[in-house]
Amino acid sequence: KAGVTQTPRYLIKTRGQQVTLSCSPISGHRSVSWYQQTPGQGLQFLFEYFSETQRNKGNFPGRFSGRQFSNSRSEMNVSTLELGDSALYLCASSLHGGGDTQYFGPGTRLTVL
Amino acid sequence: QQQVKQSPQSLIVQKGGISIINCAYENTAFDYFPWYQQFPGKGPALLIAIRPDVSEKKEGRFTISFNKSAKQFSLHIMDSQPGDSATYFCAASIGSSNTGKLIFGQGTTLQVKP
Repeated sequence: KAGVTQTPRYLIKTRGQQVTLSCSPISGHRSVSWYQQTPGQGLQFLFEYFSETQRNKGNFPGRFSGRQFSNSRSEMNVSTLELGDSALYLCASSLHGGGDTQYFGPGTRLTVL
Repeated sequence: QQQVKQSPQSLIVQKGGISIINCAYENTAFDYFPWYQQFPGKGPALLIAIRPDVSEKKEGRFTISFNKSAKQFSLHIMDSQPGDSATYFCAASIGSSNTGKLIFGQGTTLQVKP
């Protein structure tokens, strides 16, 4: 079974731009969660989608948004990029969320200049 | 109340030794406690997980000890090997809530010296 894939792997943007990251979950998994990883803040939960609906949201500004498609693939979007948005963005998929094992992708490394 | 506190921040162990990483939480609603291992350039990978109805779980060289009354849990790596050198994260979630939200500790960088 293929693992979680994320594209692109690396991205460089400038302040004020917007960016869209993509995540393809493991086949059959319906829950996709997104996390931001930085050296200072560690791993922080952004949001979770299940069956195309946002089921939970972390404490991030409205510039961070996401969606999930009918095939469970998910995208997250960050608008009006700030320098502090530079991070590794990880997505994780699981069958149903909750206490199910979450499988992480390799992440997208976003650098904002 | 949503925090998970992890210590130590870094750990150096000799090959063959025991590595111990500790985590503490406040929210008594947490009912799922996984540990993740992350190598540079990779996403975190599940190592072992425990639920509060058991006090210990062992998988190979990895053991989770869970103390519900103290709201603490720890990872023990027996016979540590250089290949175990990685960053380890504890996490917690309310599994029964059906959401995939994991609250992570700050991470522990483990170096196993040959």
